[in-house]
Amino acid sequence: GNSVTQMEGPVTLSEEAFLTINCTYTATGYPSLFWYVQYPGEGLQLLLKATKADDKGSNKGFEATYRKETTSFHLEKGSVQVSDSAVYFCALTVSGGYNKLIFGAGTRLAVHP
Amino acid sequence: DAGVIQSPRHEVTEMGQEVTLRCKPISGHDYLFWYRQTMMRGLELLIYFNNNVPIDDSGMPEDRFSAKMPNASFSTLKIQPSEPRDSAVYFCASSLRQLANTGELFFGEGSRLTVL
Repeated sequence: GNSVTQMEGPVTLSEEAFLTINCTYTATGYPSLFWYVQYPGEGLQLLLKATKADDKGSNKGFEATYRKETTSFHLEKGSVQVSDSAVYFCALTVSGGYNKLIFGAGTRLAVHP
Repeated sequence: DAGVIQSPRHEVTEMGQEVTLRCKPISGHDYLFWYRQTMMRGLELLIYFNNNVPIDDSGMPEDRFSAKMPNASFSTLKIQPSEPRDSAVYFCASSLRQLANTGELFFGEGSRLTVL
């Protein structure tokens, strides 16, 4: 089946620290991969995406590379800010009429000054 | 353009009562999704519509849950009768195209339901 596994949180960092949130997936087809972010009290919003192997998605200083050989899509940021505190969700969808996004459990990030 | 609009933002009700959650998708979006978010189960897809037609309701927990989309600008999720285990945040989301093409879902701010 199709599923996404994320590292458990919470992740607590100091401002300007390096961030990595691990994400691995299993998919029956050839998936597209996504990271969504949920700020407190809000709905999820798309952060970045990659639709084929070796693609790198990037946005707001975050980036993630689609690694088919390791079935991974780890989220990274070189220097986090307090405003990055949120819950981050890895997700996938598979083409071929399967019109669903499968989300991971989410990883909470707390950044302290 | 306004985003996805949900109401109410918060609902507190007693077990056995009927609950109706409402959603207005982004104008022009052909797909509408209802999700439920809890600490224990994370984000669960309940049902989605394409052009107002329910396509997949396999995530609807049981017959107490029903969803309708009478027109392109309005959808409801109804729980009757409600139970404490239905307490969750319910999100509505819409997309312009099939998710395999873009993966971009636009979420509302959610309706937080508490059933006492």
